[in-house]
Amino acid sequence: DVKVTQSSRYLVKRTGEKVFLECVQDMDHENMFWYRQDPGLGLRLIYFSYDVKMKEKGDIPEGYSVSREKKERFSLILESASTNQTSMYLCASSSPVAGGPYEQYFGPGTRLTVT
Amino acid sequence: GENVEQHPSTLSVQEGDSAVIKCTYSDSASNYFPWYKQELGKRPQLIIDIRSNVGEKKDQRIAVTLNKTAKHFSLHITETQPEDSAVYFCAASIEGSNYQLIWGAGTKLIIKP
Repeated sequence: DVKVTQSSRYLVKRTGEKVFLECVQDMDHENMFWYRQDPGLGLRLIYFSYDVKMKEKGDIPEGYSVSREKKERFSLILESASTNQTSMYLCASSSPVAGGPYEQYFGPGTRLTVT
Repeated sequence: GENVEQHPSTLSVQEGDSAVIKCTYSDSASNYFPWYKQELGKRPQLIIDIRSNVGEKKDQRIAVTLNKTAKHFSLHITETQPEDSAVYFCAASIEGSNYQLIWGAGTKLIIKP
């Protein structure tokens, strides 16, 4: 069974703080993703990584950065948290196969509240 | 940019009845269409997917149909049960990407007893 874990289920931070969200997967997947989930907006891609030290911006990268130093770990960083970053953050991983896209496995999510 | 529209946003059906959720995509090069189910407080999980060389796929009570000409695909759930209550997301692959998906906004399915 693929296991994707996230460092916290719930997090409360103050405006202006630097926030780190960590994601770890145990299936040697090449691809890892960070999404933000808000009601009525679905899953919006913040950043993804297709290899160690490789990253690409998604649809809403402003205010976020990422780090992937090891294959199994993908970190999302909020440089200076703001109240509009209050949301559910979901990490996912997948492995490319011949023929195209493959199933994404999600972590349990981190509900971040910025006050 | 490319997008996926999903309807309805909320669907309420009587237990035992069928439910249909529809998605329309804009990228004609999309060739992979998964459906994910997210139960309350849990992570999204893949329930069924379809590739562009197939028009329909079925797995027990759930089925997905794809109309490439019209660029839409649908999820069908028959004989709905209380455990089908969840938020369902459709997605479509992005041309030239082996890993990115564009997601619909989600449909909250409510099964009334």
